[in-house]
Amino acid sequence: EAGVAQSPRYKIIEKRQSVAFWCNPISGHATLYWYQQILGQGPKLLIQFQNNGVVDDSQLPKDRFSAERLKGVDSTLKIQPAKLEDSAVYLCASSLGGGVGNEQFFGPGTRLTVL
Amino acid sequence: AQSVTQLDSQVPVFEEAPVELRCNYSSSVSVYLFWYVQYPNQGLQLLLKYLSGSTLVKGINGFEAEFNKSQTSFHLRKPSVHISDTAEYFCAVSPPQGGGNKLTFGTGTQLKVEL
Repeated sequence: EAGVAQSPRYKIIEKRQSVAFWCNPISGHATLYWYQQILGQGPKLLIQFQNNGVVDDSQLPKDRFSAERLKGVDSTLKIQPAKLEDSAVYLCASSLGGGVGNEQFFGPGTRLTVL
Repeated sequence: AQSVTQLDSQVPVFEEAPVELRCNYSSSVSVYLFWYVQYPNQGLQLLLKYLSGSTLVKGINGFEAEFNKSQTSFHLRKPSVHISDTAEYFCAVSPPQGGGNKLTFGTGTQLKVEL
């Protein structure tokens, strides 16, 4: 069974530029998550989708971050414009359902460096 | 709201020695508890989880953890570590109801196994 795929694996941009990350979850997984992992910290949930609807985006900085999951499969996370403090690893995860206890499977992440 | 504290940022240990990684949580309601492992340049992988039942939980790769409600702890243990256990370990909590499977992570503990 293929795991969660993410691209690109690495991205370096200048501040105020835009960037987009792509995630393809495990086939059949209805729930998709985006996490931000800043160096030295644990992952922090940015947004959770159930199919193509948003379940929780309370920690998403909506003035610069946006995410979509068209057709309830792949998802993209965008930052526009990027700030220095956005340098982090962006992890995508998926689970069969959104109920508590459903195991989340993580992708390898995209490491973003903002100069 | 829930929070997780991992007091040890780094734990060095010799191969074949036992190890304990500490995790304490804070919550006004009961929680579900998880340990994840992150190998270099890889996503997080679930080691074990406590949802209910026996307070001693066994996971993959010979790891186990014990839920202690009175001490609000969920320490991870392994009786004999291997070089391949070198990785970062994250403790996480999730509310049992109404949380939408949202995970709150600790800051992680870097386990370094030496010969």
